[in-house]
Amino acid sequence: KNEVEQSPQNLTAQEGEFITINCSYSVGISALHWLQQHPGGGIVSLFMLSSGKKKHGRLIATINIQEKHSSLHITASHPRDSAVYICAVFPPYGNKLVFGAGTILRVKS
Amino acid sequence: NAGVTQTPKFQVLKTGQSMTLQCAQDMNHEYMSWYRQDPGMGLRLIHYSVGAGITDQGEVPNGYNVSRSTTEDFPLRLLSAAPSQTSVYFCASSGLAETDTQYFGPGTRLTVL
Repeated sequence: KNEVEQSPQNLTAQEGEFITINCSYSVGISALHWLQQHPGGGIVSLFMLSSGKKKHGRLIATINIQEKHSSLHITASHPRDSAVYICAVFPPYGNKLVFGAGTILRVKS
Repeated sequence: NAGVTQTPKFQVLKTGQSMTLQCAQDMNHEYMSWYRQDPGMGLRLIHYSVGAGITDQGEVPNGYNVSRSTTEDFPLRLLSAAPSQTSVYFCASSGLAETDTQYFGPGTRLTVL
């Protein structure tokens, strides 16, 4: 079983819809990262979470450390939000980020 | 700041050839790492470094070497390229804390024939 599981793998939404992407992990962590990768593009960091909730524009990320679960929400989705969203965690052993397989999001206009 | 830079952006190699993928950062980050990204799979760690002169293996180190002679540079060497090394390679850097923001380079798309 992968240490980091994301769901769904693929998501298609209509413009304006509220979107939720989930990330579950099986190890204790001190930080969880959400990353975004546009088609053919580089990878950018969206959020780092160690507890609670963070908001940046239309993006909201939450984490429940006890339940080992994080969610990334996009409000009022737009076609430019179409990208791969990646969850990554630092397990307690060594300095190694472990990544989920990513969620491919397509927002249609 | 230029951030994290990688060269080349694209490369085609023949089986058995060697080459070096370059990675540099100008943010004085101690932690640098190399990942490969394959279709349907998450990013996988190849090698990483927590400072000049210190490197360690990641999840998929076979066929790759690294060195870290300066804080800024972290080259990845393919010793004898194989078709299984066809992939997109990303370099990343950050501070040493797990909570530090991760900065990624633009990637190198490598094809081994």
